[in-house]
Amino acid sequence: DTAVSQTPKYLVTQMGNDKSIKCEQNLGHDTMYWYKQDSKKFLKIMFSYNNKELIINETVPNRFSPKSPDKAHLNLHINSLELGDSAVYFCASSQVRLGRLAGNNEQFFGPGTRLTVL
Amino acid sequence: DAKTTQPPSMDCAEGRAANLPCNHSTISGNEYVYWYRQIHSQGPQYIIHGLKNNETNEMASLIITEDRKSSTLILPHATLRDTAVYYCIVNNNDMRFGAGTRLTVKP
Repeated sequence: DTAVSQTPKYLVTQMGNDKSIKCEQNLGHDTMYWYKQDSKKFLKIMFSYNNKELIINETVPNRFSPKSPDKAHLNLHINSLELGDSAVYFCASSQVRLGRLAGNNEQFFGPGTRLTVL
Repeated sequence: DAKTTQPPSMDCAEGRAANLPCNHSTISGNEYVYWYRQIHSQGPQYIIHGLKNNETNEMASLIITEDRKSSTLILPHATLRDTAVYYCIVNNNDMRFGAGTRLTVKP
């Protein structure tokens, strides 16, 4: 069974559209994350979500919004897509929340969703 | 936040040990060192982490210097499938991935 899964794997869309990427984890973890990997291959955290507490990277535009229907899911909604949103988006989960400085913050990543905005 | 410095690329012969260095001279006393890798087009994969003591698991060994200012990830018998970008991360507050080290294992 896949620990962290994302759908779709590829997403091609026009500028201005609204789209969603789904993420599910079956690890029983308490915290989930979204990362963006741009064309230069740098991975940047966008959000972390734990027990209804959302921590947002201040550089993320408010067109991006995470939605968590339950602890196992964290979906990413993107409104008014722009060319610069083209990237690979990774979902991840961990047992504890970042910042706890515990020795078990290892994260498990999904396979990624390649978003192309035309 | 602590920063890490890694060489941009390294080569290793198949079957030999791959030693990947990481400098983290500004690490705080309670910050862990984490290692991840990313094989082409896949999501990052957790490898190992440590605080002060050396650590070993089924994937790798982690050697942390006594002053904690640097560490080395050791893949004891590298295979072609270990070709990937390896990331060393400290300050797990926001998981800052740098550019990492691109390890190429050659036959």
